[in-house]
Amino acid sequence: EVQLVESGGGLVQPGGSLRLSCAASGFTFSTYWMHWVRQAPGKGLVWVSRIKTDGSSTDHADSVKGRFTISRDNAKNTLYLQMNSLRAEDTAIYYCARGGQVGGLDYWGQGTLVTVSS
Amino acid sequence: QSALTQPASVSGSPGQSITISCTGTSSDVGSYNLVSWYQQHPGKAPKLMIYEGSKRPSGVSNRFSGSKSGNTASLTISGLQAEDEADYYCCSYAGSSTFVFGTGTKVTVL
Repeated sequence: EVQLVESGGGLVQPGGSLRLSCAASGFTFSTYWMHWVRQAPGKGLVWVSRIKTDGSSTDHADSVKGRFTISRDNAKNTLYLQMNSLRAEDTAIYYCARGGQVGGLDYWGQGTLVTVSS
Repeated sequence: QSALTQPASVSGSPGQSITISCTGTSSDVGSYNLVSWYQQHPGKAPKLMIYEGSKRPSGVSNRFSGSKSGNTASLTISGLQAEDEADYYCCSYAGSSTFVFGTGTKVTVL
């Protein structure tokens, strides 16, 4: 059974940093692109970042470019999102999702809540 | 990158068909056959319902179908059921290795 379990969320002050993790199991992690998607409270989904199977290529939304870094450790079957210079508008549930082999994001974690507030 | 435009809400009675539109531009929806649709129940993670515009993942009911015309993609739910009440989001590849989601549509079963 495919499982994605996020962790690392919490309360952080503006300007602070946080690293999210997503532990993957039930599939060959190293053969799938992985994504982060966020959802502010009561709002819609927003794509954040993606990373290639071997970590050699990464992409980020303009809103987080230069502040967030996606990475992965295929030996540990874990996806990461390093978030720096956090702002109030980064407050959201952060989901990790698997990029389907044939398109779409076919499996999602339950999400981890990040709150940026003083 | 601006969010794709979806109607805020759509409603229908059980057994009816409803269609949710997703309007983008010639830089995203219009340029690629890479639109996907997601269903999200309150407090739950999104679920993939349609990918590549019209393909259904294994396990998704054939009551859900997708299509595209120009810069607008559509999701049709036929034979509406109470369990279909949820939020629905479209998503498109937007070029330059980025993706964009729609504004979301709340489906209500009357």
